[in-house]
Amino acid sequence: DAKTTQPTSMDCAEGRAANLPCNHSTISGNEYVYWYRQIHSQGPQYIIHGLKNNETNEMASLIITEDRKSSTLILPHATLRDTAVYYCIVSRPNFNKFYFGSGTKLNVKP
Amino acid sequence: EAQVTQNPRYLITVTGKKLTVTCSQNMNHEYMSWYRQDPGLGLRQIYYSMNVEVTDKGDVPEGYKVSRKEKRNFPLILESPSPNQTSLYFCASHRSDQHYEQYFGPGTRLTVT
Repeated sequence: DAKTTQPTSMDCAEGRAANLPCNHSTISGNEYVYWYRQIHSQGPQYIIHGLKNNETNEMASLIITEDRKSSTLILPHATLRDTAVYYCIVSRPNFNKFYFGSGTKLNVKP
Repeated sequence: EAQVTQNPRYLITVTGKKLTVTCSQNMNHEYMSWYRQDPGLGLRQIYYSMNVEVTDKGDVPEGYKVSRKEKRNFPLILESPSPNQTSLYFCASHRSDQHYEQYFGPGTRLTVT
């Protein structure tokens, strides 16, 4: 599976958009991009996923570049409760292994 | 409420004393997995199961056993725990047609002395 690279940490002001980048330059054609987050030591929570097109749901938007070598997770109006570690994962569908990596620690500040 | 439950949530034990961490899901999911999380190493998959009686090794299976006799349950067994198995453990499940959305349990913090 493709390896991902994320910044170790980021800060964001409450109410502003949080843009979390992820590099996955070795992604294969059938691999999806998944985003999860982990608040403190709770179980990770699914946020969004995509293959080629940009995606949006009630939690976030996912922007995938045309060459699919990088993506950005956007939290449109960050709140203090969005402070968490955000994981970008690349994997084939129905491949039974998810590699979570180290993620990005997002600190949302008042 | 749809959920994955784990028991116990916290456990302190001694080297060599067999233990079982239970995991149960009420969503009729086919897939279930166990992960361990250690500082600086992220979440690593221990074992996974695609359905009843079908299990396979993840990335760090040494020292662990699993079984899947019922669809809802996926216990993690440590036959002879050692201090290097001190970790935070998560169970997860997902539907076979929704590969993207794993549901995680609350975690079990295990300390082996």
